[in-house]
Amino acid sequence: AQSVSQHNHHVILSEAASLELGCNYSYGGTVNLFWYVQYPGQHLQLLLKYFSGDPLVKGIKGFEAEFIKSKFSFNLRKPSVQWSDTAEYFCAVNPSGTYKYIFGTGTRLKVLA
Amino acid sequence: GAGVSQTPSNKVTEKGKYVELRCDPISGHTALYWYRQSLGQGPEFLIYFQGTGAADDSGLPNDRFFAVRPEGSVSTLKIQRTERGDSAVYLCASSLTRGDSGNTIYFGEGSWLTVV
Repeated sequence: AQSVSQHNHHVILSEAASLELGCNYSYGGTVNLFWYVQYPGQHLQLLLKYFSGDPLVKGIKGFEAEFIKSKFSFNLRKPSVQWSDTAEYFCAVNPSGTYKYIFGTGTRLKVLA
Repeated sequence: GAGVSQTPSNKVTEKGKYVELRCDPISGHTALYWYRQSLGQGPEFLIYFQGTGAADDSGLPNDRFFAVRPEGSVSTLKIQRTERGDSAVYLCASSLTRGDSGNTIYFGEGSWLTVV
């Protein structure tokens, strides 16, 4: 069965620290990849997405993610986090040609001021 | 509206009761999804509509769950004989065109259902 793994369930960082959140998926075909963020009390919002082309994609608020096909990974990175980045982050995979978006279990990030 | 709108935002119901959750997608979006998010989990697919028809309802957990979208816009998720295990956040999402074309899906704020 298709699945998405986010290995870090809880991450605590100080402001200005660098961030990397892991995401691995199990699906052998072509995929579209997404990172969504959910700030406290708010709905899921798109952070960035990868459909094709340059495997390094840049999103909003200084986030970026790199698609490594050989590793079935789509890790999220930010060079310097801010207190306002405190949120839950979800990786999602959409196998091409389907309409199902398969989500990971999420990573709760807490940034200490 | 500007975003996906869901009502009610919170619903507490007694075990065995019937519940309806409503979703108003972004104007012009033809694809509509329902997801369910339990505590500590990511959203899980329930059903997908393209227009008025349910193109895929394979995620509905059992026959107590049903969803409609009669005019291709607003959708209602219906849960009969609710059970405590149905407690979760029910998320609605929509996208501009066919869901398999790689379009971004936009989520509503969800309906928090608590069955006591």
